Amino acid sequence: DQQVKQNSPSLSVQEGRISILNCDYTNSMFDYFLWYKKYPAEGPTFLISISSIKDKNEDGRFTVFLNKSAKHLSLHIVPSQPGDSAVYFCAASEGRGNKLVFGAGTILRVKS
Amino acid sequence: GAVVSQHPSRVICKSGTSVKIECRSLDFQATTMFWYRQFPKQSLMLMATSNEGSKATYEQGVEKDKFLINHASLTLSTLTVTSAHPEDSSFYICSAREHNRDQFGYTFGSGTRLTVV
Repeated sequence: DQQVKQNSPSLSVQEGRISILNCDYTNSMFDYFLWYKKYPAEGPTFLISISSIKDKNEDGRFTVFLNKSAKHLSLHIVPSQPGDSAVYFCAASEGRGNKLVFGAGTILRVKS
Repeated sequence: GAVVSQHPSRVICKSGTSVKIECRSLDFQATTMFWYRQFPKQSLMLMATSNEGSKATYEQGVEKDKFLINHASLTLSTLTVTSAHPEDSSFYICSAREHNRDQFGYTFGSGTRLTVV
């Protein structure tokens, strides 16, 4: 039973445009959400997180939106750069600091 | 920033042997570390939660006698794959949780590619 779902295996975006990566979850006890970027044969790198008490968090080019009623979150990258090409994982936990449940990941390709 | 060092980055071993993977938090204390494995083109699956000074908590379906976890200090956790078989070949990643940051950080190691031949 996948509690965190990333239904788009891949996304291709033109450099300079917006990348929108989506994530859905089923566990209503999740209250902390994170996005990670990962290159092959490397560990994930933290990008941005959001607590369930917020609906938006912004950090530079990265913005995460949380829609609790829909159990949906999205990561917006503006403007997209070729260096953003990687696999992006959505993760969630019940309480900050507890174990993370990961989605399957979305491969982002930013074309120059 | 927080750094987690994981070694080795790559290991090839013969079937039936044991392999130890180390995960160290370099500039912070980690009372809790997590061990994940990732199969090709799949997500990171949590194997176990390692708590300093106590027994690890294993996820359902993970054999604790096969994947031995030791978290003897606040900066080191080890995962030993015992009697490895080809189906244990995978990418193993650890992460360490910081306690003294406003925004909880889960810092990941760079991973270990295990190939059992």
